[in-house]
Amino acid sequence: DQQVKQNSPSLSVQEGRISILNCDYTNSMFDYFLWYKKYPAEGPTFLISISSIKDKNEDGRFTVFLNKSAKHLSLHIVPSQPGDSAVYFCAAPLSNFGNEKLTFGTGTRLTIIP
Amino acid sequence: DAGVIQSPRHEVTEMGQEVTLRCKPISGHNSLFWYRQTMMRGLELLIYFNNNVPIDDSGMPEDRFSAKMPNASFSTLKIQPSEPRDSAVYFCASSFIGGNTEAFFGQGTRLTVV
Repeated sequence: DQQVKQNSPSLSVQEGRISILNCDYTNSMFDYFLWYKKYPAEGPTFLISISSIKDKNEDGRFTVFLNKSAKHLSLHIVPSQPGDSAVYFCAAPLSNFGNEKLTFGTGTRLTIIP
Repeated sequence: DAGVIQSPRHEVTEMGQEVTLRCKPISGHNSLFWYRQTMMRGLELLIYFNNNVPIDDSGMPEDRFSAKMPNASFSTLKIQPSEPRDSAVYFCASSFIGGNTEAFFGQGTRLTVV
């Protein structure tokens, strides 16, 4: 049962344009969301996060938008650069009696075309 | 800190053999997670520990899988006996649960069971 879903397994974007990666979730208990970036042969690395009390968080070229009513979040990268080519995972921690486990989506492979 | 350290980076073993994956979390972190990455399911949480205690092992696929955390600086994931369908990349991650902090991942162990 995937509580965090990324329905696009891959995305190709021209260098300099905007990349938009989408993520949907089913559990209304989630109150914090994270995006991770993964290069081949490396572990995922944290990119950006957003709390449910916000609808937008920006960090340089990366912006995450949260639409709680739609249970949807998106990651915008602008302008896209070749180094952004990677697999992007969205994730959410589910708190249970003070413990948390991170649940990940299946990932979207972003390819930036020079 | 050197980050989360996993060993070995690559493991090739024959079906039926025992496999042990190792993880050293970041010093000071109180939670440790074992994930498995596959094409179909993305990053799948197998088990996580909080303060060295297993909290949730519902993701462990079968009794052939077991995990231990004898102290705050070491964890193992064991598969006995291994099967070809266990072939995947296994990641260990650690975090400090208590706020909205991200998990830090190791570089992973690529397991191939032939």
